[in-house]
Amino acid sequence: DTGVSQNPRHKITKRGQNVTFRCDPISEHNRLYWYRQTLGQGPEFLTYFQNEAQLEKSRLLSDRFSAERPKGSFSTLEIQRTEQGDSAMYLCASSFPTGENTEAFFGQGTRLTVV
Amino acid sequence: GDSVTQMEGPVTLSEEAFLTINCTYTATGYPSLFWYVQYPGEGLQLLLKATKADDKGSNKGFEATYRKETTSFHLEKGSVQVSDSAVYFCALSNFNKFYFGSGTKLNVKP
Repeated sequence: DTGVSQNPRHKITKRGQNVTFRCDPISEHNRLYWYRQTLGQGPEFLTYFQNEAQLEKSRLLSDRFSAERPKGSFSTLEIQRTEQGDSAMYLCASSFPTGENTEAFFGQGTRLTVV
Repeated sequence: GDSVTQMEGPVTLSEEAFLTINCTYTATGYPSLFWYVQYPGEGLQLLLKATKADDKGSNKGFEATYRKETTSFHLEKGSVQVSDSAVYFCALSNFNKFYFGSGTKLNVKP
């Protein structure tokens, strides 16, 4: 399978705990995105990387959130001191731009439940 | 800022009925437009795309035409199937970011 892979698929954690999610993009895709999706809503942009450089972060991404892409391949998204409002589906996507605009390919997401 | 607005659901149709899901957008410059589909518990799958005005994207019997004059990208299918039941998202890509509508749930009954 050469699609975008996300792990874990599901995570249940207690409020106040830290969690980390991993995304493996399609090989050779140099752009990697993180989105958050809550029930009944479309995905909301969190951040994106061009290779290992984090180029933009949404205001949605509070100080408790941090993302890395250390070698320009896989990426991790960490949430510290989780809150119930963090419960959502976290989606990762990757792309290989051939111009200013190109499609993104999404993983199956990590569903986070904070109890 | 850039944004996408799509018709609210759910949309319930009988098998073989005609489908239209409306989508309009606001964007600076020259965005690309997309329709993605999401099945329960899954991520988003690209359904079709159009990269410039008057382009028509098509896939699996679905079509959408990029209308710059009306800033629209409506999704259509001539004859829906039960297997088309899913949530459909209209999206645009502009300056390295993707913006999504809130999704339209489609239920197709046998």
